[in-house]
Amino acid sequence: AAGVIQSPRHLIKEKRETATLKCYPIPRHDTVYWYQQGPGQDPQFLISFYEKMQSDKGSIPDRFSAQQFSDYHSELNMSSLELGDSALYFCASSSGQTNTEAFFGQGTRLTVV
Amino acid sequence: DQQVKQNSPSLSVQEGRISILNCDYTNSMFDYFLWYKKYPAEGPTFLISISSIKDKNEDGRFTVFLNKSAKHLSLHIVPSQPGDSAVYFCAARGPGGTSYGKLTFGQGTILTVHP
Repeated sequence: AAGVIQSPRHLIKEKRETATLKCYPIPRHDTVYWYQQGPGQDPQFLISFYEKMQSDKGSIPDRFSAQQFSDYHSELNMSSLELGDSALYFCASSSGQTNTEAFFGQGTRLTVV
Repeated sequence: DQQVKQNSPSLSVQEGRISILNCDYTNSMFDYFLWYKKYPAEGPTFLISISSIKDKNEDGRFTVFLNKSAKHLSLHIVPSQPGDSAVYFCAARGPGGTSYGKLTFGQGTILTVHP
């Protein structure tokens, strides 16, 4: 069965650069969530989209923005990168906002040097 | 403010025995609880969930118990297998809002099952 696809799997950027992370949800899933997991930390909710509209917002810095496109894939744009942005970024998808299970992608490891 | 807490950073169990992973939460508005298993450099994999209106859910070797009055849930794995060795995250859904899928995670417990 198709899973959540994230690209790239690994990304190395320098401070103050910009990064774009992509997420392709499971087919027919209309809801996408972004999480950030720093070293030794639990995943922290960043932002979510339902039917291409932002549905909830967590601890996402103002330097970050995201959107969901007509094909339901989502992109997380990160500007003015800081060393502290180095983390695993997970995308998850679910079918409908009230579905109980969110399925996660394998994550993108971002390293800021 | 850690709303979901897994107070045991690690647990070591012998193969064939029971593994019990614990999770406490503070927000009584959470309406659904999930357990995820995570290997290094991979995304969390959904294991089992329980609605706040139930006190037990079982799926094969995995059983989740919920004690709402104590705001406590636990995951039982019986029998434990070496392949179960991973980080286990407890997560809670809600409360309410426009995005019911928003999850709040605990810190995770590293389970090691010895052959």
